Amino acid sequence: RKEVEQDPGPFNVPEGATVAFNCTYSNSASQSFFWYRQDCRKEPKLLMSVYSSGNEDGRFTAQLNRASQYISLLIRDSKLSDSATYLCVVNGRNSGGYQKVTFGIGTKLQVIP
Amino acid sequence: DTEVTQTPKHLVMGMTNKKSLKCEQHMGHRAMYWYKQKAKKPPELMFVYSYEKLSINESVPSRFSPECPNSSLLNLHLHALQPEDSALYLCASSQLSTGDYGYTFGSGTRLTVV
Repeated sequence: RKEVEQDPGPFNVPEGATVAFNCTYSNSASQSFFWYRQDCRKEPKLLMSVYSSGNEDGRFTAQLNRASQYISLLIRDSKLSDSATYLCVVNGRNSGGYQKVTFGIGTKLQVIP
Repeated sequence: DTEVTQTPKHLVMGMTNKKSLKCEQHMGHRAMYWYKQKAKKPPELMFVYSYEKLSINESVPSRFSPECPNSSLLNLHLHALQPEDSALYLCASSQLSTGDYGYTFGSGTRLTVV
């Protein structure tokens, strides 16, 4: 099983639609979780940190379920400018106690006019 | 200043060349990272510097040599690279060495080895 798994998509959705992405992780000791957005040939940019209590930023809602070891991202009222790849990032420790950052493969979203 | 600045943006080098990638941040972040990203793949961690000390080397070949001259600067020295090393090289920094507040990425150096 991969350490961080995401559906690579692509997800093709019409403007105004609501779309949800999930990401599962295998290390139950993982400590912090993030969603990053990456546009084609650009660097990843932090979209949201993800907390167990859930957090919302405008049209974006992120949720962490520690018991089931997954995180989710919900995008409401999709805009054309939301088209990008969304990377799930999980932060924890490896067996030696060092920081371990693991990226998912990314989910590609294409919002269609 | 909330940016990570990388230079150069593009680099073409021969397999016998020696070149360096540079990264700079002035956010007071305590950890800095080098990542390698191939097309349609997620970034792969190469090195982590925490408080200017190398804390993680993810079994990267010795033809890649990192250097952290001070808390704001991170270099990646390249020598005798192979064509398969062509990729986007991303520098990142984080406020804490644990990375618990996320990472800020530079715009990357697109490297082509010929």
